Amino acid sequence: AQSVAQPEDQVNVAEGNPLTVKCTYSVSGNPYLFWYVQYPNRGLQFLLKYITGDNLVKGSYGFEAEFNKSQTSFHLKKPSALVSDSALYFCADDNYGQNFVFGPGTRLSVLP
Amino acid sequence: ETGVTQTPRHLVMGMTNKKSLKCEQHLGHNAMYWYKQSAKKPLELMFVYNFKEQTENNSVPSRFSPECPNSSHLFLHLHTLQPEDSALYLCASSQEMRQAYEQYFGPGTRLTVT
Repeated sequence: AQSVAQPEDQVNVAEGNPLTVKCTYSVSGNPYLFWYVQYPNRGLQFLLKYITGDNLVKGSYGFEAEFNKSQTSFHLKKPSALVSDSALYFCADDNYGQNFVFGPGTRLSVLP
Repeated sequence: ETGVTQTPRHLVMGMTNKKSLKCEQHLGHNAMYWYKQSAKKPLELMFVYNFKEQTENNSVPSRFSPECPNSSHLFLHLHTLQPEDSALYLCASSQEMRQAYEQYFGPGTRLTVT
């Protein structure tokens, strides 16, 4: 089964600066990778996914993610962070279509 | 978040009570999921229904009992819970269980067991 790691519990970034939230996956075949965001007292919201094709995937709210097979990574990025981006971010893999495997989450704080 | 709704949003129950959580999706999806989200722990998949058939039960204790009467509705029946069952319970749906479809989540039910 696939597994997903998010090496940082917390990421702090100043408003207007670029942000990166890291995700790595276990090596086994071709992964289907996803990013979700969770705001306080809300469910998870889908941001973007990588299935195949272009390694740079663009998603909602100006976010993008880069799939890197050699580094088994799928880092989430945004060129200019907003205070409203502060939330909990989850990386996930669909585990060969069996079910989703979620990472532990990374809390992003964007400081004004 | 009108695509997937969950009721109630908050629930406090004693260990001997019986209650049910309800989930409804208005997206025409065929797969529905129950997740448990506890503090400091990864999201835990509990149950999966695909075309109304249960396809996954991740070793969930029998005090949690799911029900899926149709593709739009999903219930989680609760009885004789333990304090460690206090958590946010999230319902999700997707077009189908496979094919890498993204899941859409409801806002969750915050459950407190006293």
